Amino acid sequence: SQQGEEDPQALSIQEGENATMNCSYKTSINNLQWYRQNSGRGLVHLILIRSNEREKHSGRLRVTLDTSKKSSSLLITASRAADTASYFCATARSGGTSYGKLTFGQGTILTVHP
Amino acid sequence: EAGVAQSPRYKIIEKRQSVAFWCNPISGHATLYWYQQILGQGPKLLIQFQNNGVVDDSQLPKDRFSAERLKGVDSTLKIQPAKLEDSAVYLCASSPKGLAGGPRSDTQYFGPGTRLTVL
Repeated sequence: SQQGEEDPQALSIQEGENATMNCSYKTSINNLQWYRQNSGRGLVHLILIRSNEREKHSGRLRVTLDTSKKSSSLLITASRAADTASYFCATARSGGTSYGKLTFGQGTILTVHP
Repeated sequence: EAGVAQSPRYKIIEKRQSVAFWCNPISGHATLYWYQQILGQGPKLLIQFQNNGVVDDSQLPKDRFSAERLKGVDSTLKIQPAKLEDSAVYLCASSPKGLAGGPRSDTQYFGPGTRLTVL
């Protein structure tokens, strides 16, 4: 079953604008990760935020995590046409043999128009 | 460092035929994963190996799917016989996450995937 649910399902913006994607999940997690997938290719890891962290930055990416609301957001600032891709959140549960196992959401399709 | 290698990249078969996919993880990565990604959905974990042992195969349809990682390095995933609903991209990923006390990483590194079409 899909743990993470992303919102919106699709997002279309102009180059230079910011893009925000949201992810909600259901169970306790150890960490939450965001991945990007370009058309027809494998997934690329973008950023990981642990359950005891609230915000993390990496270049033009900013991720927030609210464990009380079981939600996360990914902000891409000053978007570029090359950012066009599908973005997935993935949650890693804590403890036991499930440790490290990622459960992915349905993804957000981001289109950045030049 | 070389990434995760997968072959073939594309495969078209008819239903009830058999198919096998191969994955070579990043050198030194202890953990290997196989995912199934149906069009329009996120990847779904099929099986997770720690070295050559199975950690989680709870979502693997064992009546038709099998996987092995005999020497704790590369891995094969087989479908026999294939059904129409098996049409998907099969992704292999690896991570350095090791045994207790060993190197650990929660990041997974994905291969390019094998796109399977079952007619």
